[in-house]
Order: sequence, then structure tokens, then C-alpha cells
Amino acid sequence: GQQVMQIPQYQHVQEGEDFTTYCNSSTTLSNIQWYKQRPGGHPVFLIQLVKSGEVKKQKRLTFQFGEAKKNSSLHITATQTTDVGTYFCRAGNNRKLIWGLGTSLAVNP
Amino acid sequence: EAGVTQFPSHSVIEKGQTVTLRCDPISGHDNLYWYRRVMGKEIKFLLHFVKESKQDESGMPNNRFLAERTGGTYSTLKVQPAELEDSGVYFCASSQGGGRTQPQHFGDGTRLSIL
Repeated sequence: GQQVMQIPQYQHVQEGEDFTTYCNSSTTLSNIQWYKQRPGGHPVFLIQLVKSGEVKKQKRLTFQFGEAKKNSSLHITATQTTDVGTYFCRAGNNRKLIWGLGTSLAVNP
Repeated sequence: EAGVTQFPSHSVIEKGQTVTLRCDPISGHDNLYWYRRVMGKEIKFLLHFVKESKQDESGMPNNRFLAERTGGTYSTLKVQPAELEDSGVYFCASSQGGGRTQPQHFGDGTRLSIL
């Protein structure tokens, strides 16, 4: 069935390095949402992308929706220890909404 | 505005016992969702209520799980009898609308451990 692949599953970076997680689908998506879950916490909505090629920024975070609306990325510039957590994509097509496996980010101070 | 609240935060029970989880959505949110996350796995959808009606229960694993939302306010998820594979964190989320573009607001989850 429909799957959303999120890569990498884990990423360990030094504070100040950049970080990117990718969400890929085999079929065209209607929208994609990104959530962040801090350790021991719950997923918190970050942003939603709807348009082909859309790019949105939140401070050091840049979110992108591919031209074909089959993939998306979340890029963090100059990571900080407060960025630690698991980042999930939640992708929608005409039939259902699917969560990615999540990318767990660890940041060394 | 109070967020989504879940009770209990943790539950440890033995295999074969019954557990009931509760979720209070944000006031005014007609849409309520239950999810489960097993360590290292994806957030798995269980079901979706619109008010008191089950809109989609395709994610419910089996008939040991029963979700209710009488009166369209809070919801309960009962597991009876609990099995080892039911362990995980059960999240509840609510949203104002039920469309695919509606962001969901999550509770802190109930960490369920079956011994």
C-alpha cells in the first residue's frame, strides 16, 4: 500500500552543523505537514505545505515541497541543542494521511 | 486555551487485564484521533471521531480495542484483554476541522506497558 519513506532514521550532529530530513512518497501528495516531538513529549505541529515547489521558513528551519509533490524536506541551519527530538512528516493524498517513521536528531554541544 | 489532555500518563498492567485510557480534546474540536507509537516505529493511526461518530476506525488492530466518545466530548480507549504487543505510547489528537489540511494538536500521551 501507500508508503511514506522518511530518511534518515537517525542523525547525530555537532552543534552548529546543518541537518536535513527527507520525506518521500511513490505517489503524488495533496499536502504535507511536519511535526516535532521532543524526547518524552508529544508531536507538535510545525508547518504545512500544499503547493508544488513551495518553500517556507521558520527562523533556522526551511521546509520544501517538491515540484512533483512527491517529496519534502526539512532543513535546519546551524543546529542547536534545543533542536533535539524526532521530526515527523505527515503526508496526505486523496485517500488517506500517512505518517513517516520519523527522523531522530541528536545534537552534541 | 487548555490543550489536549490524556489520562493516565502511565499505566503498567499485566497481560489479560483491562485498561481504559481517556482523552479530553481541546474545547470545540469536533475531530478526535487516537494513535499509537511503539518505540522506534511510526505513529500509527487507530481511529478518528467526528463528534460522537466513528469516521474511520480502519487502524484499530482487533476487537480487543474499543473506543467511545459518548456525547462528542471526551473519548475513552479500552483494551480488554491486554496483550504484550499492545505496549506503546497512545496519543490522542484533536483538530477543529477534519480535513487533510487541518493541523492536529496532540496530548502528552499515555505510556502503556503490558507485563
